[in-house]
Amino acid sequence: EAQVTQNPRYLITVTGKKLTVTCSQNMNHEYMSWYRQDPGLGLRQIYYSMNVEVTDKGDVPEGYKVSRKEKRNFPLILESPSPNQTSLYFCASSTFSGTGANEQFFGPGTRLTVL
Amino acid sequence: AQSVAQPEDQVNVAEGNPLTVKCTYSVSGNPYLFWYVQYPNRGLQFLLKYITGDNLVKGSYGFEAEFNKSQTSFHLKKPSALVSDSALYFCAVRDIGSSASKIIFGSGTRLSIRP
Repeated sequence: EAQVTQNPRYLITVTGKKLTVTCSQNMNHEYMSWYRQDPGLGLRQIYYSMNVEVTDKGDVPEGYKVSRKEKRNFPLILESPSPNQTSLYFCASSTFSGTGANEQFFGPGTRLTVL
Repeated sequence: AQSVAQPEDQVNVAEGNPLTVKCTYSVSGNPYLFWYVQYPNRGLQFLLKYITGDNLVKGSYGFEAEFNKSQTSFHLKKPSALVSDSALYFCAVRDIGSSASKIIFGSGTRLSIRP
C-alpha cells in the first residue's frame, strides 16, 4: 500500500529537549515536505526536499532542521523545542517534474506538545 | 510572492444543495492549483488540480473546480452536497520557475453539510 508514515503520532515533551519526528514514504517520490498546521493559519511549509541531499527552507523554518540522506526518509529535528512549536505536523511526498512538485500524499500527522 | 486566500472560515449548506468553497491566489507566473480535503483526525487527501487546459477541472468524490485567470480564482464546487462532504478544505498553489518547489496553502474552509 502506497503510504507516508510518521512517528510518533503523539508526543509530549519539555522545553529544550531535542526530538526527532520521522517520516518515510514507499512511493519512490523525489519531493518531500514538512508542514505545521495551526488553527486559523492553515498549513505552513517548514522545509522541503527535491531529492537526496537537496533541501530548502519553506515559510517557517526557524527552530527546525531536516536531512535527506535517503530518498524514502525525511526526518524533522527540533534541536531545542519551545512551546510555540506546539502544533500538528504533517509530512508529505510527491513526484517532482521539471516544472515542480505535483500533488502530494500526506502522512497521518504528529501532534506535538511542548511544555 | 505566492499567496492563497480562502475568504470563508466556514460554509454551511443543506444536503442536496450545490456548494462552493472559494479560493483566490497570487503568483508571479502561471499557477499550479490544488484542492485538498482533511477529514477529522486524518491527513490531507488530494482532490483535484489545475495545471493547464480546460478551466473546469473534475476531481474525486464528485467535486470540480473552476479556474478563472482574470479573477485569479479557483473555486471548489459540487452540484449536490452530501453530509459526508463535511470536512476541512484547503486550497494550495505553487508557482513555476524558481519558486516551483515551494507550496503555499490557504487557511482552510470548514464545510458543514446539514441533513
